[in-house]
Amino acid sequence: TQLLEQSPQFLSIQEGENLTVYCNSSSVFSSLQWYRQEPGEGPVLLVTVVTGGEVKKLKRLTFQFGDARKDSSLHITAAQPGDTGLYLCAGARRIQGAQKLVFGQGTRLTINP
Amino acid sequence: KAGVTQTPRYLIKTRGQQVTLSCSPISGHRSVSWYQQTPGQGLQFLFEYFSETQRNKGNFPGRFSGRQFSNSRSEMNVSTLELGDSALYLCASSLSGAYNEQFFGPGTRLTVL
Repeated sequence: TQLLEQSPQFLSIQEGENLTVYCNSSSVFSSLQWYRQEPGEGPVLLVTVVTGGEVKKLKRLTFQFGDARKDSSLHITAAQPGDTGLYLCAGARRIQGAQKLVFGQGTRLTINP
Repeated sequence: KAGVTQTPRYLIKTRGQQVTLSCSPISGHRSVSWYQQTPGQGLQFLFEYFSETQRNKGNFPGRFSGRQFSNSRSEMNVSTLELGDSALYLCASSLSGAYNEQFFGPGTRLTVL
């Protein structure tokens, strides 16, 4: 059972369209991170959200942390081919007495020119 | 500031062999975590080292081991390789812990034949 469920798993859209990626869980997280991974490279941190209801913007990317800190979303406006990549969400929570980071399965996004 | 480096970038081994992967974290980062990434399972946490001590461990068999040196560099060893060990192995460093923002290296692509 995946602790963090991302949807959709795959998304292919045309340049200029908007999209939203979701990261859901039944567990509460102390913080949630979003990463983007391009082929042949490791994931790169995009943002960390900490407070329930928090919204952060990074140019055309908008990240939101759910009020109950169980879910998050990533919205991209006017997607560009450079946005192509694997988007991963990762939640920090205490598991078996230790703070751990749990990753979702990822959303593979393709933006077609 | 130099990023996380991993060597080698690519490795081909046969079943039954063992392999050692190396990771140099960002200067000043004391936490080094290792992850296995496969298309089917996504990003799975192997273990975290902090100040030369293993602080966290994922659900992997004892064939997977690691260590950290006094300069924070880390190595991961996999003994008696199996076909299913073929994956991208990612190292990530952090200032304070595996639950905090991770800075990933480019990974080592291991293929077991």
